[in-house]
Amino acid sequence: EVQLVESGGGLVQPGGSLRLSCEASGFALSRYWTHWVRQAPGKGLVWVSRINADGSTTTYADSVKGRFTISRDDAENTLYLQMNNLRAEDTAVYYCAKVAENYYSFFESWGQGTLVTVSS
Amino acid sequence: DIQMTQSPSTLSAFIGDRVTITCRPSQSINSWLAWYQQKPGKAPKLLIYKASSLESGVPSRFSGSGSGTKFTLTISSLQPDDFATYYCQQYETYPITFGGGTKVEIK
Repeated sequence: EVQLVESGGGLVQPGGSLRLSCEASGFALSRYWTHWVRQAPGKGLVWVSRINADGSTTTYADSVKGRFTISRDDAENTLYLQMNNLRAEDTAVYYCAKVAENYYSFFESWGQGTLVTVSS
Repeated sequence: DIQMTQSPSTLSAFIGDRVTITCRPSQSINSWLAWYQQKPGKAPKLLIYKASSLESGVPSRFSGSGSGTKFTLTISSLQPDDFATYYCQQYETYPITFGGGTKVEIK
C-alpha cells in the first residue's frame, strides 16, 4: 500500500528556515515524480514544486523559486522541501503527492499534510 | 500561467440531486484535467483524471467530461458522503494550477 507521511512543520519566524520531510512506503520515490502542494488556511490548493524520477529535473512555482529546494534521499525513500527566507504568505499545510504515471502530473496519492506557520 | 475558473464557488443541494460543477481553463489544456474531492482536515482525493477517466475505487455516480477550455464534474445522485469541496487541476503545463474550489453543501 502506498503511503506518504509528512513531518517537519511548525512555527517559524519570518526570514527563518524549515525542512519538511515526506517518508514514502509501498513504492520507490526513485521511480516516480513527486510533488509538493500547499494550502493556506481556508484557501485552495497551490502547487509548489516537483522532482522527476531520477532526480535530474526540479521545477518550482515562481512564488518559491530561489527560496525553496526540493530533494530526495533514495536510500531513506524520503522526499524533502528545504524552505528558506520564509514569509507570512508561506503559511499553509504542505502536502507531498505522488503521480500515478510519470509525465502526467495528476496526484493519485497524498500525504496527510504538515502545517507550517510563519509568524513573529 | 493557466488560470482555472471553477463555478459555482458554493453549491447547495439535496440528497439525490444531480450536481454539476464547471471548470474553465484560460487556454486549451486538451484533456489534461483532474478532479479532486477534499473534506475538512483531510488531504485531497483523486476522483477523475484525463478529464473523464474514473479513478479506481471511486463510485460510478461521479463522472467527468469536456476538453479544451470547458470541463464538467457531475455527481449523478448526491450522497451524504459527497458533501465536500471539489477542485479541478490542469496538468497540461507548468506551473500546475488548480481551480478555486466548489463547496457542496447540504440544502
